[in-house]
Amino acid sequence: DAGVTQSPTHLIKTRGQHVTLRCSPISGHKSVSWYQQVLGQGPQFIFQYYEKEERGRGNFPDRFSARQFPNYSSELNVNALLLGDSALYLCASSPGGALNYGYTFGSGTRLTVV
Amino acid sequence: QKEVEQDPGPLSVPEGAIVSLNCTYSNSAFQYFMWYRQYSRKGPELLMYTYSSGNKEDGRFTAQVDKSSKYISLFIRDSQPSDSATYLCAMSADQAGTALIFGKGTTLSVSS
Repeated sequence: DAGVTQSPTHLIKTRGQHVTLRCSPISGHKSVSWYQQVLGQGPQFIFQYYEKEERGRGNFPDRFSARQFPNYSSELNVNALLLGDSALYLCASSPGGALNYGYTFGSGTRLTVV
Repeated sequence: QKEVEQDPGPLSVPEGAIVSLNCTYSNSAFQYFMWYRQYSRKGPELLMYTYSSGNKEDGRFTAQVDKSSKYISLFIRDSQPSDSATYLCAMSADQAGTALIFGKGTTLSVSS
């Protein structure tokens, strides 16, 4: 059974550009969350979507946006990239509901902004 | 003060040692506590999940939560080189886990 898949695995962008990151959750999982992990830090919550609706949003500027599609896949969009946006972007999926189901993380997209 | 504090290490131990990893937190609303393991270039993997105070054991791993002290621990018995990774504590105030709050992570190296 495939895990959480994220694409692309790596990319390099220039300051001011826009980027779209993609996530396919585990089959049957209806909840997708996005986290940003800066080198040497723990993941920081960006968004959570459940059944295509935003359930929560972390302390990130409006340059960050996301959406979930009918097939439960998700996109994270970041506009007007800054050098500080360089990080590993993690997507996590869960069946939805109780935490004890656990979140399954993908291997992430490594974004470098130059 | 950050909501969750975790000593980043690095922590180096010989194979077979008992490892103790710890986190402290400031938000008394946290009720759900998790430990994740993250290998280099991989996403975090859930190791242990605990609700409220108490102990939970799973094989060589034991998680402890002391809500009165706002302190959680992960013990690894008979540590193996394959345990070498970064260990992240995470917490949430609601069962839906809308936002997991992570510690900085502790890097562990187990030498054979």
